[in-house]
Amino acid sequence: GAGVSQTPSNKVTEKGKYVELRCDPISGHTALYWYRQSLGQGPEFLIYFQGTGAADDSGLPNDRFFAVRPEGSVSTLKIQRTERGDSAVYLCASSPLQAGEGDTQYFGPGTRLTVL
Amino acid sequence: AQSVTQPDIHITVSEGASLELRCNYSYGATPYLFWYVQSPGQGLQLLLKYFSGDTLVQGIKGFEAEFKRSQSSFNLRKPSVHWSDAAEYFCAVALNYGGSQGNLIFGKGTKLSVKP
Repeated sequence: GAGVSQTPSNKVTEKGKYVELRCDPISGHTALYWYRQSLGQGPEFLIYFQGTGAADDSGLPNDRFFAVRPEGSVSTLKIQRTERGDSAVYLCASSPLQAGEGDTQYFGPGTRLTVL
Repeated sequence: AQSVTQPDIHITVSEGASLELRCNYSYGATPYLFWYVQSPGQGLQLLLKYFSGDTLVQGIKGFEAEFKRSQSSFNLRKPSVHWSDAAEYFCAVALNYGGSQGNLIFGKGTKLSVKP
């Protein structure tokens, strides 16, 4: 079946602009995660949704970052007043939330955000 | 705080040689453990995972990993490397909330180069 998809694959914006990054999870997956991967680093957790609600948003770096998942499927990561330091690859992952046996996250290809 | 250490930033091996990538974690209990591979321009692909049971785990593409509780390690191995294995490898842990889990914590990655 279809994997996790993310759009756009690349986004170039200017400092101070607003951007939205979209994630389409695997159909039926309850959990959705956003990570950010800076050059030369491993992915860093941003936010985790169970269904429509954010179960853990402790990784969001500041209040310029916000994410929604209104119908429990597609999610949008929103960044206001972008800064050059926001340049990174933003990864989305989804999982079926199989409790008891651990759970596996499946990653999308990412959106490369460049803030000029 | 939980953390993952991959001590080798870059490793070069000859095609056909054996490979071991190191991973150490810091966590108060037994976490869920994962190895992912990331090829240029590609998303993260799961190689293998450890949740419980047999400490030697087999994965895809001929990879295996061994969980050693006493050393807090989860090293990845392959007996004979192929040129197509050149990529970046990430070790990750997930917190074990009594059977369910939250976000992944990644190491910084080890870049593998393969000499012909």
